[in-house]
Amino acid sequence: NAGVTQTPKFQVLKTGQSMTLQCAQDMNHEYMSWYRQDPGMGLRLIHYSVGAGITDQGEVPNGYNVSRSTTEDFPLRLLSAAPSQTSVYFCASRPPAHYTQYFGPGTRLTVL
Amino acid sequence: SQQGEEDPQALSIQEGENATMNCSYKTSINNLQWYRQNSGRGLVHLILIRSNEREKHSGRLRVTLDTSKKSSSLLITASRAADTASYFCATDYNDMRFGAGTRLTVKP
Repeated sequence: NAGVTQTPKFQVLKTGQSMTLQCAQDMNHEYMSWYRQDPGMGLRLIHYSVGAGITDQGEVPNGYNVSRSTTEDFPLRLLSAAPSQTSVYFCASRPPAHYTQYFGPGTRLTVL
Repeated sequence: SQQGEEDPQALSIQEGENATMNCSYKTSINNLQWYRQNSGRGLVHLILIRSNEREKHSGRLRVTLDTSKKSSSLLITASRAADTASYFCATDYNDMRFGAGTRLTVKP
């Protein structure tokens, strides 16, 4: 049971490039979410999903897209990276009717 | 905007002392949770307290919740150097929102 996995661990992009941050969980959790963590800002919710085929926006969705075609995977897409998106990104999941979230190890993204 | 706000932002104590950190939130909640984050790592769930509970214990952790004041506190007793981490409160209404965290340093 690997829990929540994220790839890559580190990534450097140039402004305007696109990329996808991968997130997968093997716990059959319905709920998955993406957060970004900036120094002194805590975690801010980007997007979340309550199940396959259903996604919704969080606090800071601009510049990010998500899709949820399977229960296991919840990729986060940056369409045109900007320096303001330099951050550490965390994916999390939880089972239905359960509030405890399980976090992945994070992806540290730098946009030059 | 963030739902939870932790106080203080940073706390430094000696090993063996107790550490208390506080969380205030803005709207109605179903529950409140506390998480710990070691430097560079993902968050780890510590304890959950439901909106109809006032106090909860787990090992050296004690959490209180005052829904009338929209606040919670986390007490870590007999702290250890290994408790050095950032601590976050999180509230869950329609989705989960985290505060900015309290950075705890426990000096050996």
